[in-house]
Amino acid sequence: DAGVTQSPTHLIKTRGQHVTLRCSPISGHKSVSWYQQVLGQGPQFIFQYYEKEERGRGNFPDRFSARQFPNYSSELNVNALLLGDSALYLCASSLQPSGISYNEQFFGPGTRLTVL
Amino acid sequence: SQQGEEDPQALSIQEGENATMNCSYKTSINNLQWYRQNSGRGLVHLILIRSNEREKHSGRLRVTLDTSKKSSSLLITASRAADTASYFCATRSTGANNLFFGTGTRLTVIP
Repeated sequence: DAGVTQSPTHLIKTRGQHVTLRCSPISGHKSVSWYQQVLGQGPQFIFQYYEKEERGRGNFPDRFSARQFPNYSSELNVNALLLGDSALYLCASSLQPSGISYNEQFFGPGTRLTVL
Repeated sequence: SQQGEEDPQALSIQEGENATMNCSYKTSINNLQWYRQNSGRGLVHLILIRSNEREKHSGRLRVTLDTSKKSSSLLITASRAADTASYFCATRSTGANNLFFGTGTRLTVIP
């Protein structure tokens, strides 16, 4: 079975542009979470979606938005890019929302975004 | 801000030695997990320990949890060069919808 897939692998944008990152969860997984990992730091939670509904949001500005499609894939959108948005964006899928006691998240390889 | 802090930030050992990494966190948790990351790529889940557990083993990995001190440790025994990676602890608070990750320990195992 395929794991979590993300596209593109790498992306270079300039300040002020918009970017869309995509994630396909493991087959049968209905929950997708997005994390931002700045170089040298641990991942920070951005969003979680389950059954197309937002179930959680981290401390990120409104320039960040996401959605989940009927096939459970997800997009993360970032508008008006800033230099500080340069990071590895990780997608994780799980069977159920994270409020369940044990609910392992499986991470994709990430999309490395560079903002110039 | 991040929930957990790892210590040390970087660790360099010889192959065959044991590696110990520590994690401290701030709030009450439901469980604590350890992840491994190679070269800034995706995270691989290593082991999960629940808040009512004190110790857990998986192969060469041993994890302890002390909820009174809000700390955990990851021990990798008989390290191999292939263990070279960054290791992160992540906590999940009760009912929370996300994981809080620590800052990570960069482990280098010298052949």
